[in-house]
Amino acid sequence: DVKVTQSSRYLVKRTGEKVFLECVQDMDHENMFWYRQDPGLGLRLIYFSYDVKMKEKGDIPEGYSVSREKKERFSLILESASTNQTSMYLCASIAQRRGEQYFGPGTRLTVT
Amino acid sequence: TQLLEQSPQFLSIQEGENLTVYCNSSSVFSSLQWYRQEPGEGPVLLVTVVTGGEVKKLKRLTFQFGDARKDSSLHITAAQPGDTGLYLCAGERNQGGKLIFGQGTELSVKP
Repeated sequence: DVKVTQSSRYLVKRTGEKVFLECVQDMDHENMFWYRQDPGLGLRLIYFSYDVKMKEKGDIPEGYSVSREKKERFSLILESASTNQTSMYLCASIAQRRGEQYFGPGTRLTVT
Repeated sequence: TQLLEQSPQFLSIQEGENLTVYCNSSSVFSSLQWYRQEPGEGPVLLVTVVTGGEVKKLKRLTFQFGDARKDSSLHITAAQPGDTGLYLCAGERNQGGKLIFGQGTELSVKP
């Protein structure tokens, strides 16, 4: 059974803190994505990766960075968290460069 | 920038009613996917439509892709409380699996 897991369901951080969100998939997928989801805005792509150590900016990369050291793991980093980064963060993966995206359960991040 | 406009954003109906959700764009997509998301979970794929004019049925759900591959609709017949959730359309860009999502439709079906 396909599985994408995210390190935390809920996270509360203070402004200025460095935040790590981790995503792991067990499907040997090459392609992984990070989105943020906000009411009325749908899902917006932050970063994606087609291979280990490879990353590309999505539509809203400002304030974020990513790391992909192993095929199964894709990390999202908020270098200095701000209140406008309070959101639901979703990780997804796909087997090839098209098709169904498999999503993790999401991390609801609150920055105070 | 490609945009996908989804409407309505909120829909509250009684059990047994029919409803239609629309996704519209001025851009052409190579395919269009529909996802359903329940609270506390990630979106789960319902269907992918690829060919212009294509119609796919999933029990009481009917999905249609516009002839020009710029728009899509989801029609639910005789909605049930179990249909409650967030429905998202997503257009596939010709850039390696990246999707652009509509704003979502929050559907509530009351018994």
